[in-house]
Amino acid sequence: AQSVSQHNHHVILSEAASLELGCNYSYGGTVNLFWYVQYPGQHLQLLLKYFSGDPLVKGIKGFEAEFIKSKFSFNLRKPSVQWSDTAEYFCAVNASDYKLSFGAGTTVTVRA
Amino acid sequence: DAEITQSPRHKITETGRQVTLACHQTWNHNNMFWYRQDLGHGLRLIHYSYGVQDTNKGEVSDGYSVSRSNTEDLPLTLESAASSQTSVYFCAMSHHPGQGAEGDGTEAFFGQGTRLTVV
Repeated sequence: AQSVSQHNHHVILSEAASLELGCNYSYGGTVNLFWYVQYPGQHLQLLLKYFSGDPLVKGIKGFEAEFIKSKFSFNLRKPSVQWSDTAEYFCAVNASDYKLSFGAGTTVTVRA
Repeated sequence: DAEITQSPRHKITETGRQVTLACHQTWNHNNMFWYRQDLGHGLRLIHYSYGVQDTNKGEVSDGYSVSRSNTEDLPLTLESAASSQTSVYFCAMSHHPGQGAEGDGTEAFFGQGTRLTVV
C-alpha cells in the first residue's frame, strides 16, 4: 500500500512570498501524483497532477510541482502567493487500483 | 462539468442510530469512493466500488457499509453511529482510462462533503 508524508502541518507567510510544500511517498511501483486544495468550507479541487512525461508540471492558479523519482518526492511550489491561497493542501498518490492515499495535509495561511 | 452531489450537507444524529449518507453522480463513472476527513489524518478511505454490485473495504471500514445497485449511487451507511464517527465525509468518483468524459484516467472528482455529528 502507498503512504504519503507531508512535511509541514501549518505554514504562515506574507503575500508575495514564495511557497514550497514538501511531499514524499512510499510505493515500489508506478504511481500517479496529485495535489489537491481545499478552501475553507469547500470540497477538494485538483491543483495539478502527474501521470508521466515532463516531471515539472504546471497547474491552476500559478502552482507547479516537480516529481523527483529518485527521492520519491512531489513538492508543490508557487513563486508569489496571494491572500486567496489561504487553504489546506493535500498531496495524494494512487496506482493502478485508482484508490487515492492522502497526506495529512498542510494548512497554508497567507497574511495580507 | 462532472457532477457529484452529496446529501445531506449536515447531519446530527444520536449514538446507536443508523445513518445513511447519499452520493450521486451524473457521469456514469465506474469508480466511486467514500473518504472521511479528520484533523491530522487527511482523508482516509472507507469503502470503494469499481462498478455495479462491486464493493470493497478501505482502511477505515469498521462500522460502515456501502452498496452499489446502479452506476450513479453509492450510499454510505453507518450501522450504529458512534461518536468516533463524527467527521466530514467526502464522496469521490473517477473513471477507467478509455471511458471518455471529463478528466484523465485516474483523476478523482469530489463532492461537497457531509458534516456528520454523532451526539
